[in-house]
Amino acid sequence: ETGVTQTPRHLVMGMTNKKSLKCEQHLGHNAMYWYKQSAKKPLELMFVYNFKEQTENNSVPSRFSPECPNSSHLFLHLHTLQPEDSALYLCASSQVTGGGNQPQHFGDGTRLSIL
Amino acid sequence: AQKITQTQPGMFVQEKEAVTLDCTYDTSDQSYGLFWYKQPSSGEMIFLIYQGSYDEQNATEGRYSLNFQKARKSANLVISASQLGDSAMYFCAMTQMDTGRRALTFGSGTRLQVQP
Repeated sequence: ETGVTQTPRHLVMGMTNKKSLKCEQHLGHNAMYWYKQSAKKPLELMFVYNFKEQTENNSVPSRFSPECPNSSHLFLHLHTLQPEDSALYLCASSQVTGGGNQPQHFGDGTRLSIL
Repeated sequence: AQKITQTQPGMFVQEKEAVTLDCTYDTSDQSYGLFWYKQPSSGEMIFLIYQGSYDEQNATEGRYSLNFQKARKSANLVISASQLGDSAMYFCAMTQMDTGRRALTFGSGTRLQVQP
């Protein structure tokens, strides 16, 4: 198994649909992250979870709802999205204990298109 | 607040030559970490190299080295002996260590194209 796995790789949905993005890490890390990468914009942090607890919400609209049932799994539930939500959604994990030199390991991302 | 600036939207380099990708940063933290990531067209973010703010030596990882100039707040990535497979987006990023916050702040990236 690769370190961080995201499913699905591609998702097309209408604005009224409900869908979920899934992320799983096999690295034994204790922190997980959601980032959004839109065209022509830097990667934007969305949410941070440390030891299953949400520690950051970067003013993300409520139509994005994260869930972290354990340190290995992270979900992003999507509901009533807007066309501007079309982007690449990247999940990452890292070890937050110890020194700050631990890099985040990223999944391949889910490319989301809103019709 | 932290900020990362990458002023080169695109760079070209000939195969086997060296190339420097620029990164400047702004932070009020005394302790911070600087990272470089590579993103091929397939989308995954690949960690390349790390430099801590208190590291006295410039970091090196194979063909990658980081030219860290703390007083100038710059952390440029040097790729030696470029290969065609190096063509990708490159992102500079940083974390705050004074507060223990590990989330990354990214720059806008530089698209590197290696020409044969």
